[in-house]
Amino acid sequence: DQQVKQNSPSLSVQEGRISILNCDYTNSMFDYFLWYKKYPAEGPTFLISISSIKDKNEDGRFTVFLNKSAKHLSLHIVPSQPGDSAVYFCAAEIQGAQKLVFGQGTRLTINP
Amino acid sequence: SQTIHQWPATLVQPVGSPLSLECTVEGTSNPNLYWYRQAAGRGLQLLFYSVGIGQISSEVPQNLSASRPQDRQFILSSKKLLLSDSGFYLCAWRGRGWDEQFFGPGTRLTVL
Repeated sequence: DQQVKQNSPSLSVQEGRISILNCDYTNSMFDYFLWYKKYPAEGPTFLISISSIKDKNEDGRFTVFLNKSAKHLSLHIVPSQPGDSAVYFCAAEIQGAQKLVFGQGTRLTINP
Repeated sequence: SQTIHQWPATLVQPVGSPLSLECTVEGTSNPNLYWYRQAAGRGLQLLFYSVGIGQISSEVPQNLSASRPQDRQFILSSKKLLLSDSGFYLCAWRGRGWDEQFFGPGTRLTVL
């Protein structure tokens, strides 16, 4: 039962362009969402989050959009840089449940 | 500031041998602690989490167990490793009332 899904295993984007990573969820009880970035052989690092009371949160080059009616969130990176090449995981939780549910990840490759 | 340590960084073990992976957190008290596994080409699977000393919640039935003998120490164990136990094991912590989890550097386990 995959409650958080990232349907694109990989994405390739040219440097300087916008990267859009997508995530869908099935549990309408989820009310907090996070994005993590992971380099090979390292632990994931927290990137940005959004509460269900918002539909957008921005931090520098990173913006997360939440569409509750569609149970969909996306991460926009603009402009994309070579250092953004990594695996990106979205995660969701029911606040108070003490645990996150992760998607399968999307490997982003930024081409020069 | 808070830091999280995991060791060893890499481990190669024969099938049927025991396992002990250790995780410690510094700079915080009474954190929630988590063990995840990332199998090859797959997402982050939550294995165990703990909200306090001696309190362990298991997410999936399997060949592994976890213990929390001290407030900031979390141990992942197995009595007899299986080939399917190979993967990248990640420890994470979360502060009380926080929404984000922070991950350690991970342990690459190969069972031969």
